[in-house]
Amino acid sequence: QVQLQESGPGLVKPSETLSLSCTVSGASISSGTYYWAWIRQPAGKGLEWIGRIYASGITDYNPSLKSRVSISLDMSKNQFSLKLTSVTAADTAVYYCARPRGSSNFDPVYYWGQGTLVTVSS
Amino acid sequence: QSALTQTPSASGSPGQSVTISCTGSSSDVGGYDFVSWYQQHPGKAPKLIIYEVLKRPSGVPDRFSGSKSGNAASLTVSGLQPEDEADYYCNSWAGSFWMFGGGTKLTVL
Repeated sequence: QVQLQESGPGLVKPSETLSLSCTVSGASISSGTYYWAWIRQPAGKGLEWIGRIYASGITDYNPSLKSRVSISLDMSKNQFSLKLTSVTAADTAVYYCARPRGSSNFDPVYYWGQGTLVTVSS
Repeated sequence: QSALTQTPSASGSPGQSVTISCTGSSSDVGGYDFVSWYQQHPGKAPKLIIYEVLKRPSGVPDRFSGSKSGNAASLTVSGLQPEDEADYYCNSWAGSFWMFGGGTKLTVL
């Protein structure tokens, strides 16, 4: 069973960089053709796809966030990470890491972390 | 890129059927048969209930069904049960990324 757990600061100052990690258990991020994704949800609002990364290092980002987002892998820790630069209050949200059940590019995410709340405030 | 359009709320009595719609464009919903639906209860992570327009992951009751016509997709919940009260989100491949709908709050009266 694939399990994911987000971690990182719960409070980030405006204009700074939000950094989160997702620790994976039950699967290796370096094997297979699965992608590993980040999704966020502002309080009381809908879901927003941030982006994904494959074991090869190839990434896809939401065009609306692309200029500020970076997703990377740490094979040694079986983790993948999210960096979002120049944050504002609009980036306050619960951030989820996730993975599909299948290995197709077009498989939707199936396994989710529990989510971590990040608040942007001075 | 705007989110896919969903009506904010829907409701039905136990045993009834309710249909939730999701409208996009030819660049997303209309262009690909990669439409999914998620159910989210308060404080929980979303749960995949429909993928590839009409397929159900194992363990999802067949009361949940999906369809698509043109640029619009639909989720029908038949035989409503109290535990179906939740937020529902559509999700479509949009050519280079996944796009979500704004969500529909389903109330079981």
